[in-house]
Amino acid sequence: DAKTTQPTSMDCAEGRAANLPCNHSTISGNEYVYWYRQIHSQGPQYIIHGLKNNETNEMASLIITEDRKSSTLILPHATLRDTAVYYCIVRSGNTGKLIFGQGTTLQVKP
Amino acid sequence: DAGVIQSPRHEVTEMGQEVTLRCKPISGHNSLFWYRQTMMRGLELLIYFNNNVPIDDSGMPEDRFSAKMPNASFSTLKIQPSEPRDSAVYFCASSSSVYEQYFGPGTRLTVT
Repeated sequence: DAKTTQPTSMDCAEGRAANLPCNHSTISGNEYVYWYRQIHSQGPQYIIHGLKNNETNEMASLIITEDRKSSTLILPHATLRDTAVYYCIVRSGNTGKLIFGQGTTLQVKP
Repeated sequence: DAGVIQSPRHEVTEMGQEVTLRCKPISGHNSLFWYRQTMMRGLELLIYFNNNVPIDDSGMPEDRFSAKMPNASFSTLKIQPSEPRDSAVYFCASSSSVYEQYFGPGTRLTVT
């Protein structure tokens, strides 16, 4: 599975959009981009995934560049409850394995 | 839906003792995963099952660790004998597809 690179930490003002970048320059054609988050002392929570096209659900939007070498997770209106570690994971579509990196710690501030 | 259920939530034991962690996956899910999280190593996959069969146990640290899934609604992770370096939070997750995994609340294990 391709490796990912994320900033260690980011801040965001409450009510503003949070844009979390992820670099996955070695991604291959059959690998999906996944985002999970882990709120303090809880288990990780699935957010969204995508292959080539941009995706949106009730939690977030995922923007994948045309060359698929990077992506951005967008939380449109961040709240204090969105403070968490956000993990970007690249994984082959036919395997169940998730390999977590260090993630980005997002701090949403009032 | 109760989600993934793990027990106990906290376990404190002495070095050398046997520890058994339990997991009940979400009903209808056919894949089950055991992860371990420490400050030093982050979140690591230990083993995962598909339809009760172990598929990949390459993350199991050593022979002291064993995992079983006797049926679709129950799995155990056993450490025997336990060591202080096994102290961590152990998460169980389940899924019904290759896309989403649903994690339990974790078991915080402390080995003294």
